[in-house]
Amino acid sequence: SQELEQSPQSLIVQEGKNLTINCTSSKTLYGLYWYKQKYGEGLIFLMMLQKGGEEKSHEKITAKLDEKKQQSSLHITASQPSHAGIYLCGADIGLLIQGAQKLVFGQGTRLTINP
Amino acid sequence: DSGVTQTPKHLITATGQRVTLRCSPRSGDLSVYWYQQSLDQGLQFLIQYYNGEERAKGNILERFSAQQFPDLHSELNLSSLELGDSALYFCASSVRYTGELFFGEGSRLTVL
Repeated sequence: SQELEQSPQSLIVQEGKNLTINCTSSKTLYGLYWYKQKYGEGLIFLMMLQKGGEEKSHEKITAKLDEKKQQSSLHITASQPSHAGIYLCGADIGLLIQGAQKLVFGQGTRLTINP
Repeated sequence: DSGVTQTPKHLITATGQRVTLRCSPRSGDLSVYWYQQSLDQGLQFLIQYYNGEERAKGNILERFSAQQFPDLHSELNLSSLELGDSALYFCASSVRYTGELFFGEGSRLTVL
């Protein structure tokens, strides 16, 4: 979506190396979500960040939301072949209507891990 | 397995035709979301239903329509199909609006 810009669009790293993917919004984010997609398959939820400065980790993946809540980064430590896929950040652009959720996504970052 | 079921998995049809994609959400999930994914547009939000009612709308074309039935399953109807409608259509569901969506495997539509 135009609301979220991800960088880089693609990334090739050698197994064991660290990497970072960024997600930037022009507006304040009230909820930032990271998902992973294997090619041609559905998305899998990784983690959600809501508070400025918040940081969450799951196994070797760490995500942070900056203080101003307009940028998030996803960091993978000691990458493995299982980390390969497309990483997408998502944000609820907030319709302030009960029960409504318009969750939009960035273009995605395609991660390739070379052995 | 996310618990979200989409049918059909693959569909090939001709321009001008109409198709219906079906989604069964996870048991207990009240919200259903539809997304379109193509190489040039990425993952685009189409529409969201909550307990049978439309709650949020995205870039859904007028040729497309959706509904959520009392048993909470949902259908996405695509009519007057064009070549550009070829894409992967995802359905997702959630218990409530938390941002944690559970995605189906998608329905791959090819319009020839």
